[in-house]
Amino acid sequence: DIVMTQSPDSLTVSLGERATINCKSSQSVYLSSNNKNYLSWYQQKPGQPPKLLIFWASTRESWVPDRFIGSGSGTDFTLTINTLQAEDVAVYYCHQYHSVPQTFGQGTKVEIK
Amino acid sequence: QMQLVESGGGVVQPGLSLRLSCAASGFLFDTYALHWVRQAPGKGLEWVAVVSYDGRTTYYSDPVRGRFTISRDNTQDMLYLQMNNLRPEDTAVYFCATERVRYGSGTFPLDDWGQGTLVVVSS
Repeated sequence: DIVMTQSPDSLTVSLGERATINCKSSQSVYLSSNNKNYLSWYQQKPGQPPKLLIFWASTRESWVPDRFIGSGSGTDFTLTINTLQAEDVAVYYCHQYHSVPQTFGQGTKVEIK
Repeated sequence: QMQLVESGGGVVQPGLSLRLSCAASGFLFDTYALHWVRQAPGKGLEWVAVVSYDGRTTYYSDPVRGRFTISRDNTQDMLYLQMNNLRPEDTAVYFCATERVRYGSGTFPLDDWGQGTLVVVSS
C-alpha cells in the first residue's frame, strides 16, 4: 500500500499570509503513460464531508479560488494557500488514487493566528 | 444536481452486523464507480472499498477485507456496505463518494460525497 505522509500536522498562519502543506508518498504516484500524477487534495471543515480541491496534483476544481496552488511530482507534493482567508480554516488531506487501496495523508489542520 | 444520502448507521455490539445504504440521485448512477470512506471520531480519512460502475469489480482495504462487502443495485440507484463481525475500531462516520469521471474502477479522485452516517461499535 502507498503510505501518504503530510507535514506539518497543524499550521497557524496570519490572515493574508501563505500556508504551505507538504505531502510525501512512499511510492511514486506518477504514471508515465499519461504524464499524470495521481494525487489530489481535499478540504474538510468541521461537521462536513471532504471537498475535492485539486486533482492530478495541480488542477483546481471549478469552485476553488486561484490562491490554492497544487504542485509537485512523483513522490513529493505541496499545497500552497496564498493570502490565507478566514474561510480557509479547515483540515486538508492529500490523497493518492494511483493504486488500490487508495490512501490519504493524516491531515493538516490550518488555523488563523 | 448529484446527491448522495447515507443511512443505516447506529450503535451495534462487537461481533454483530450492520448494512449501510447510500441513495443516489441527480446523475447517471450506473456509469460511476462508488467508494466508501470512513472517519473515526476526531481522526483522518480512511478509504474502505470501491465497486466499479457495473458492480463486477470490488476492492477493499486490509482492515475490512473478508468482513465487509460492497455492492450496488443499478436498478435502484443504491450503494450498500454489508459490515459483518464488527469491531470497536470500525467506529466511524461512513461516507459514500463517487469518482470524478465515468466508467472508472478505483483510480480516480473522489468528487461528490454524502454527509455520512455514524456507526458506533460498542458493548
